[in-house]
Amino acid sequence: GAGVSQTPSNKVTEKGKYVELRCDPISGHTALYWYRQSLGQGPEFLIYFQGTGAADDSGLPNDRFFAVRPEGSVSTLKIQRTERGDSAVYLCASSPGRGARAGNTIYFGEGSWLTVV
Amino acid sequence: GDSVTQMEGPVTLSEEAFLTINCTYTATGYPSLFWYVQYPGEGLQLLLKATKADDKGSNKGFEATYRKETTSFHLEKGSVQVSDSAVYFCALNRDDKIIFGKGTRLHILP
Repeated sequence: GAGVSQTPSNKVTEKGKYVELRCDPISGHTALYWYRQSLGQGPEFLIYFQGTGAADDSGLPNDRFFAVRPEGSVSTLKIQRTERGDSAVYLCASSPGRGARAGNTIYFGEGSWLTVV
Repeated sequence: GDSVTQMEGPVTLSEEAFLTINCTYTATGYPSLFWYVQYPGEGLQLLLKATKADDKGSNKGFEATYRKETTSFHLEKGSVQVSDSAVYFCALNRDDKIIFGKGTRLHILP
């Protein structure tokens, strides 16, 4: 597709379960971002990939959160032992080149709504 | 650390009214500044941007000017429409990533 694609669009899981969220960026975009947006808040940075490597993972809240991008395109955000506080919209975005540093536009997907019950 | 502060909403206006949404920032160096918009049921999308001081970004009748002296990037539109109802986010870049404000919800009444 033409835009950033995220699956699933909605996920309800029980506390303590493991969750994977997938992002398919725009073709050719080397920069990929994960953000988390809680109700009534702005998106909060989690992790940034350049190609296959995590260039900045300073936003990951704890070691239950992990993300991979093994072939430099699709990325998966993995959350272990989910907690109710993890409930949020998880946004993926992609950009060409060095992303925001170069003033490039960052393109967002519609997000994956995660609810932990 | 770098941050963005924007006026709290919701902001409710009548159609054709003048809009201002205030945004100020704190940053080391000279970041690029952005306004993103989130329409109901849609993903975040870039509305406009400015990459250096005194630059004016504009799109869809919206404008914002990068003011280094007041560290501000206020969003304005001369005549709003019902279709402008959305959540607006002011943002800046730190290195390769974007830092967002909390967002301002805008309601336009017909």
